[in-house]
Amino acid sequence: QVTLKESGPGILQPSQTLSLTCTFSGFSLSTYGMGVGWIRQPSGKGLEWLANIWWDDDKYYNPSLKNRLTISKDTSNNQAFLKITNVDTADTATYYCARMDNYGVMDAWGQGASVTVSS
Amino acid sequence: DVVLTQTPSTLSATIGQSVSISCRSSQSLLDSAGNTYLYWYLQRPGQSPQLLIYLVSNLGSGVPNRFSGSGSGTDFTLKISGVEAEDLGVYYCMQATHATWTFGGGTKLELK
Repeated sequence: QVTLKESGPGILQPSQTLSLTCTFSGFSLSTYGMGVGWIRQPSGKGLEWLANIWWDDDKYYNPSLKNRLTISKDTSNNQAFLKITNVDTADTATYYCARMDNYGVMDAWGQGASVTVSS
Repeated sequence: DVVLTQTPSTLSATIGQSVSISCRSSQSLLDSAGNTYLYWYLQRPGQSPQLLIYLVSNLGSGVPNRFSGSGSGTDFTLKISGVEAEDLGVYYCMQATHATWTFGGGTKLELK
């Protein structure tokens, strides 16, 4: 059974760096074709893809946010990470991580972590 | 950038009614290997999105066969043949080409 769970700070102030962790089980990021993606959703709005990381450490970023995003992984501990620098209120959202396969599909999602940026 | 446009934005249906949702892409989603990277997701109220359809027409694991996907190139459709109460929520199409992933704006399915 594949499970993913996101964790984060809950609340942070503008200009700080947001650090998110995705802890997963049921698959390995050392397996060929596996990946983890990050997606966010402001309250009442749609989904926005942020970044992906793959078994071979290949990384892809949303071009509109690329300068602020860093994705990484710890294969031995089944974790993936996302950092967003210089946050502001527009980064307030629920952040999801999802397992991905080599068809590019996000086939299992975490429950989401709520992040609020406020002074 | 690839833009996905979903119509309608809201869909009202009765239980048992068949409905369709359209997803139109600003660029072809067919790659050089012949794969078309178009997917459909359902997000029920208060829940995470769940995969319904991958690669245009393939049902995700455990997805009822009243859901079907079709289309090619830039025009795609999700059909629900006989809406059930558990199908209510927001439907999103998503594409994965040119090393970017993009979601459509969503279609909210509600009871009439």
